[in-house]
Amino acid sequence: GENVEQHPSTLSVQEGDSAVIKCTYSDSASNYFPWYKQELGKRPQLIIDIRSNVGEKKDQRIAVTLNKTAKHFSLHITETQPEDSAVYFCAANSNTGKLIFGQGTTLQVKP
Amino acid sequence: NAGVTQTPKFQVLKTGQSMTLQCAQDMNHNSMYWYRQDPGMGLRLIYYSASEGTTDKGEVPNGYNVSRLNKREFSLRLESAAPSQTSVYFCASSAAQRDSPLHFGNGTRLTVT
Repeated sequence: GENVEQHPSTLSVQEGDSAVIKCTYSDSASNYFPWYKQELGKRPQLIIDIRSNVGEKKDQRIAVTLNKTAKHFSLHITETQPEDSAVYFCAANSNTGKLIFGQGTTLQVKP
Repeated sequence: NAGVTQTPKFQVLKTGQSMTLQCAQDMNHNSMYWYRQDPGMGLRLIYYSASEGTTDKGEVPNGYNVSRLNKREFSLRLESAAPSQTSVYFCASSAAQRDSPLHFGNGTRLTVT
């Protein structure tokens, strides 16, 4: 069935270092891959998304890469700051249009 | 624009009680969704509505019912609450079903004792 696996479940980095979160998906029909950031007690908010017609997308310190052949995509955060600390979710759309989410990664950026 | 509005923010129920979670969006979106969030489980889809007048089951529909009242409103009903339904519930909407981002409400924290 449709499935999205996300790793690692927790990630701790020093301020200024880079952070990478990886996801794999099972549905070859998936063509939309958003990433959400959820701060403690808040709602998930979209930070970046990528569609299958491109392999990489950047927005300031955030980038996402997509490998459709291998069915995996990754979130890269450079020059991390304490305010980047949050739970990050990847997602992929299914052939029926539903968004399937990964289990989440708790990122801690230590000052 | 308020975006996606959910009520209530918090609710405590006893086992067997019923309640309805309300959701409304003012972005003229066609699709609406209900997710539940549990620690370590990510966001799991309960029900969704691709357009006004249609509803479909998601990953975890058992114990829930939904109503797409009109284009703006999508409610989630628990007929007989169980402790396993203790969770945070998020409503979301999107412009189109296949490849548009979801916009989430602020969530409802439900505890069933």
